[in-house]
Amino acid sequence: EVQLVQSGAEVKKPGESLKISCQTSGYTFSSYWIGWVRQMPGKGLEWMGIVYPGDSDTRYSPSFQGQVTISADRSSATAFLQWSSLKASDTAIFYCARLVSLGRAFYFDLWGRGTLVAVSS
Amino acid sequence: EIVLTQSPATLSLSPGERATLSCRASQSVGSYLAWYQQKPGQAPRLVIYDSSNRATGIPARFSGGGSGTDFTLTISSLEPEDFAVYYCQQGDNWPLTFGGGTKVEIK
Repeated sequence: EVQLVQSGAEVKKPGESLKISCQTSGYTFSSYWIGWVRQMPGKGLEWMGIVYPGDSDTRYSPSFQGQVTISADRSSATAFLQWSSLKASDTAIFYCARLVSLGRAFYFDLWGRGTLVAVSS
Repeated sequence: EIVLTQSPATLSLSPGERATLSCRASQSVGSYLAWYQQKPGQAPRLVIYDSSNRATGIPARFSGGGSGTDFTLTISSLEPEDFAVYYCQQGDNWPLTFGGGTKVEIK
């Protein structure tokens, strides 16, 4: 079965660092882009960035460039999203999702269940 | 960055009625638009890709159309499980972008 399993909810303080994970199974990890999507409380979806595990190529939304780091580990078929210094405004649910290229375009065909990150002093 | 504007923000309908959702792009995205369904407490699910192709397992009551800057998602006869928030997403240009969503609620 193809699935993305995300790490559990986190409660952190402003200024702390954090790395959340998305472990994949059931498909060739290195052959698909995998990305992260933010959903702030009661709000819509925001694309943050993606990584191609085959060569670690990454692309970021301008809104998130420099704010987070996206990476992947082929040996464990896991993607990561990390912050070096969290802010209260980082409080959100973060979804990992597999990106498929259907011809010329890119869509998210498989999603994890989400990781809730709560940042509060 | 391509901005996607969805309308209406909320659609109040009864089961069995037809739902028509709109997504307008700030510039042409060809036919490279997808729709996702999100239910409370759940991850989004791909419904339609390339404007009109149903994703795996999506019932035939869901249909999509449009090209360029104007797109629609139609649910021909609403079932109780269809009440949810729907997002469009363009897959043509970086950065990928989502619309703000349309909530389909029970009237």
